[in-house]
Amino acid sequence: SQTIHQWPATLVQPVGSPLSLECTVEGTSNPNLYWYRQAAGRGLQLLFYSVGIGQISSEVPQNLSASRPQDRQFILSSKKLLLSDSGFYLCAWSVDGLTDTQYFGPGTRLTVL
Amino acid sequence: RKEVEQDPGPFNVPEGATVAFNCTYSNSASQSFFWYRQDCRKEPKLLMSVYSSGNEDGRFTAQLNRASQYISLLIRDSKLSDSATYLCVVKSSGDDKIIFGKGTRLHILP
Repeated sequence: SQTIHQWPATLVQPVGSPLSLECTVEGTSNPNLYWYRQAAGRGLQLLFYSVGIGQISSEVPQNLSASRPQDRQFILSSKKLLLSDSGFYLCAWSVDGLTDTQYFGPGTRLTVL
Repeated sequence: RKEVEQDPGPFNVPEGATVAFNCTYSNSASQSFFWYRQDCRKEPKLLMSVYSSGNEDGRFTAQLNRASQYISLLIRDSKLSDSATYLCVVKSSGDDKIIFGKGTRLHILP
């Protein structure tokens, strides 16, 4: 069966510090991968998605970036965090295209102080 | 009109009652619809897909009304464990956009 992992589970970082969140999927090959952010009291916002190694599509311009160095690894990064980057970051995967069901990882709760 | 709208609630419902909530969408080209459940401080989990003909899974029934552009979720014989936020998800095959609603909070009262 497929499983998706995210770490760390929680993170507290000062403004201006770098960020690296990691997501890995097991039990499937060539998944579509997604990064979402859920800010307090707001809906899920799609940040990036990837249909293959090295292929990243950005949905919202911001100070975040994503990379997919391996088939089942998706990384979310920032060089300098902003207060507004605080939120619940969720990685998800799907089997096929964007119209297919997505399955979420446990998330990383980021607080920027 | 917002792309996907949900009543934020909270819906406070006694245990055993039936509750229903809707989700409206603005893009008539939307093709796929889902309901997710999200517990407090947890990730969303797929509850059910919504098919054109409507579908049922135990106490849960989902329906799609394309003419009026909304989907609905009905929960019968509600349990305390049904307390959660229910997220509506709408996807369009044309531009591959995925839109999550902000969710409807449901509290089942003992």
